Amino acid sequence: EDQVTQSPEALRLQEGESSSLNCSYTVSGLRGLFWYRQDPGKGPEFLFTLYSAGEEKEKERLKATLTKKESFLHITAPKPEDSATYLCAIQETSGSRLTFGEGTQLTVNP
Amino acid sequence: GAVVSQHPSRVICKSGTSVKIECRSLDFQATTMFWYRQFPKKSLMLMATSNEGSKATYEQGVEKDKFLINHASLTLSTLTVTSAHPEDSSFYICSATPLAGGHEQYFGPGTRLTVT
Repeated sequence: EDQVTQSPEALRLQEGESSSLNCSYTVSGLRGLFWYRQDPGKGPEFLFTLYSAGEEKEKERLKATLTKKESFLHITAPKPEDSATYLCAIQETSGSRLTFGEGTQLTVNP
Repeated sequence: GAVVSQHPSRVICKSGTSVKIECRSLDFQATTMFWYRQFPKKSLMLMATSNEGSKATYEQGVEKDKFLINHASLTLSTLTVTSAHPEDSSFYICSATPLAGGHEQYFGPGTRLTVT
């Protein structure tokens, strides 16, 4: 059975304090790993798709990396507007459904 | 690009009535649309997967007669919560995967359902 575990559950950072969020996964065959950002009361916003180990994607202060067992979302010099819940999801090669982790709630204090 | 809308954004209904939620892909055609439910401070729980013109596939434990899904076109799917009860109160979110392109799911803004 596919499984996704995100850590930490919650993370508080000072503005400018870089850090990383972790997403560990188990899957029989990975089609893709997805990162989303979700603000309170809204739907998830797509950030990245990673398909193979060693792949990296960047967008502004965010950088996502992938290995065969986990993915990291690195946040460089975060700003208060980066505060949100970050969700990781995996998709098997055999289907279209996503399996989500429980998310990491990030708070960036000014 | 890849914008998904939902209507209504909030709805309050009385116990025993039915509520319909619309999900539209505004700037792309979707092969597949998905319906999720999210409880407070919890992650997304997939309810069902629907493809245009065919019956939805429901996840284990989701009552298909209670949560009716219709995928009428490549840009529209609807979820009808029938005979709603207070325990159906939740945040419902749809997503869609573009017909042309990768495997990403793009999510709508969600619908907050409150059953009184």
